[in-house]
Amino acid sequence: DAKTTQPPSMDCAEGRAANLPCNHSTISGNEYVYWYRQIHSQGPQYIIHGLKNNETNEMASLIITEDRKSSTLILPHATLRDTAVYYCIVRVANGNEKLTFGTGTRLTIIP
Amino acid sequence: NAGVTQTPKFRILKIGQSMTLQCAQDMNHNYMYWYRQDPGMGLKLIYYSVGAGITDKGEVPNGYNVSRSTTEDFPLRLELAAPSQTSVYFCASGKQGSSYEQYFGPGTRLTVT
Repeated sequence: DAKTTQPPSMDCAEGRAANLPCNHSTISGNEYVYWYRQIHSQGPQYIIHGLKNNETNEMASLIITEDRKSSTLILPHATLRDTAVYYCIVRVANGNEKLTFGTGTRLTIIP
Repeated sequence: NAGVTQTPKFRILKIGQSMTLQCAQDMNHNYMYWYRQDPGMGLKLIYYSVGAGITDKGEVPNGYNVSRSTTEDFPLRLELAAPSQTSVYFCASGKQGSSYEQYFGPGTRLTVT
């Protein structure tokens, strides 16, 4: 699976959009981009995933660049409950489905 | 659905003791995983299973064993516990496919002293 690079930490004001970047410059054509988050002391939670097109669900939006070498997770109106570690993961679909977690980005929402 | 359940929530072991961490899922997922998470670190895969009767090693399998006799259950066995196994253990499950998601349990916090 392709390696990912994320900033170790970010702050965002409550109510503003949080934009979390991820670099995956060695991504292959059949690899998906996944985002998970881990709120303190809990198990990770799936947020969103995509292959080429931008994706949106009730939690977030995922913007993938045209060359697929980077992506951005957007939380449109961040709340204090969004404070968590966010993991960007790249993996091949329909394999053994293993996920490789890095150290992620610690996002702190500031009141 | 209860999702992924893990027992116990907390456990303290003495060096050299053994124990089994239990994991069960009621979503009929074929894939199941065990991860460990050390303080301030990301999750590391210990073992995984793609179906009943099939298991394989992950990134950090030494000191652990698993079995998968049913689709629902995936216990993790620690033999001869060592302080290096002090960690939080998470079990997860998922269904194969391009829309793949992993669902995680609440974790077991293990201390070996």
